Amino acid sequence: GDSVTQMEGPVTLSEEAFLTINCTYTATGYPSLFWYVQYPGEGLQLLLKATKADDKGSNKGFEATYRKETTSFHLEKGSVQVSDSAVYFCALSVPGGYNKLIFGAGTRLAVHP
Amino acid sequence: DTAVSQTPKYLVTQMGNDKSIKCEQNLGHDTMYWYKQDSKKFLKIMFSYNNKELIINETVPNRFSPKSPDKAHLNLHINSLELGDSAVYFCASSPSASGEQFFGPGTRLTVL
Repeated sequence: GDSVTQMEGPVTLSEEAFLTINCTYTATGYPSLFWYVQYPGEGLQLLLKATKADDKGSNKGFEATYRKETTSFHLEKGSVQVSDSAVYFCALSVPGGYNKLIFGAGTRLAVHP
Repeated sequence: DTAVSQTPKYLVTQMGNDKSIKCEQNLGHDTMYWYKQDSKKFLKIMFSYNNKELIINETVPNRFSPKSPDKAHLNLHINSLELGDSAVYFCASSPSASGEQFFGPGTRLTVL
């Protein structure tokens, strides 16, 4: 079945460090790929998305590129801030799947000053 | 002017009770969803309604029953609550059965 695998956390970084959170997927057809972020005590917010191969999603300094050949959608940021501390979820939806989001397990990021 | 709102925010109850969680969206969206987030933060879809019609019904115990009185509301009723139902339940909506989903703040259910 369709699934998403993310690197386990927590990821602990110092401010201004480079961030990578790995995400790979298994899906039938050509899924759309998403990164959602959940700040403490809040609901999920869409961070970025990509709907076809080689698309790059970007927002707030975060980027991810849809790599069909490696079935990956890794999240990167060049310089993290304390305010980026949150749980990050990689997700996919498949065509004809009624927009059902299939999530990875989430990766907690903690950024220290 | 919260886009997707849920009530209550916290719900603590005893095993065997029946409870409801309400969700409302003021975005004019056609599609609404319920997700369950367990203690390890794992998120899984439960149900989805499009224009008040059930379109996603995952493998969920039939103690859980969603109800959509209109496009702006999707409520979740849970009968005979069990310890394993303790979780955070998120409501979401999207413009149609595709497109970005907007999530509510969650309802933390604790079953004692």
